[in-house]
Amino acid sequence: AQSVAQPEDQVNVAEGNPLTVKCTYSVSGNPYLFWYVQYPNRGLQFLLKYITGDNLVKGSYGFEAEFNKSQTSFHLKKPSALVSDSALYFCAVRDIGGRRALTFGSGTRLQVQP
Amino acid sequence: DVKVTQSSRYLVKRTGEKVFLECVQDMDHENMFWYRQDPGLGLRLIYFSYDVKMKEKGDIPEGYSVSREKKERFSLILESASTNQTSMYLCASNKGGETEAFFGQGTRLTVV
Repeated sequence: AQSVAQPEDQVNVAEGNPLTVKCTYSVSGNPYLFWYVQYPNRGLQFLLKYITGDNLVKGSYGFEAEFNKSQTSFHLKKPSALVSDSALYFCAVRDIGGRRALTFGSGTRLQVQP
Repeated sequence: DVKVTQSSRYLVKRTGEKVFLECVQDMDHENMFWYRQDPGLGLRLIYFSYDVKMKEKGDIPEGYSVSREKKERFSLILESASTNQTSMYLCASNKGGETEAFFGQGTRLTVV
């Protein structure tokens, strides 16, 4: 079975400050890991993914994420937040060799204050 | 650009009605998925399909069925709509393996 936990319902950060959105996962084997963003009344947009190799993954809009196998985490980060980053963020996992569909976390709402 | 198109953005149906949600993708993807999104619960997988006429149950299939007669089209069917099926429904597709899934804009279904 595969599962994802996003422990924070909401993260508040001031514009220009670094941001972190947390994600931990559980899989039987090795994971593919993804981050998506959802703006109001829109579908999900892909941000970045970890497949293999370098633990630091860079994605769209200046976001990056760090894969940590020992802590089973895949936290999303950005060095300097923008007001336009305010949105709902989802972490997702797929167990390699397991079910073909992604399993999503409950989502974290990021609020960036001017 | 990959496009996943859902037939309706907003839908209002009555309890007991049979409801069809349609999804079409234009990138020849093998896999297609239906999720429902509810506040605090994230996205939950209802059904997915990895080939024409092939389907697998997700985590919450009760009260739903699906149909995939053509590769590009994946339909979600609510056999007898109930108020607890009021939700946002999201369709997605991907090529499989490590590839990311692409999502439609969602259908907000209200059952009254």
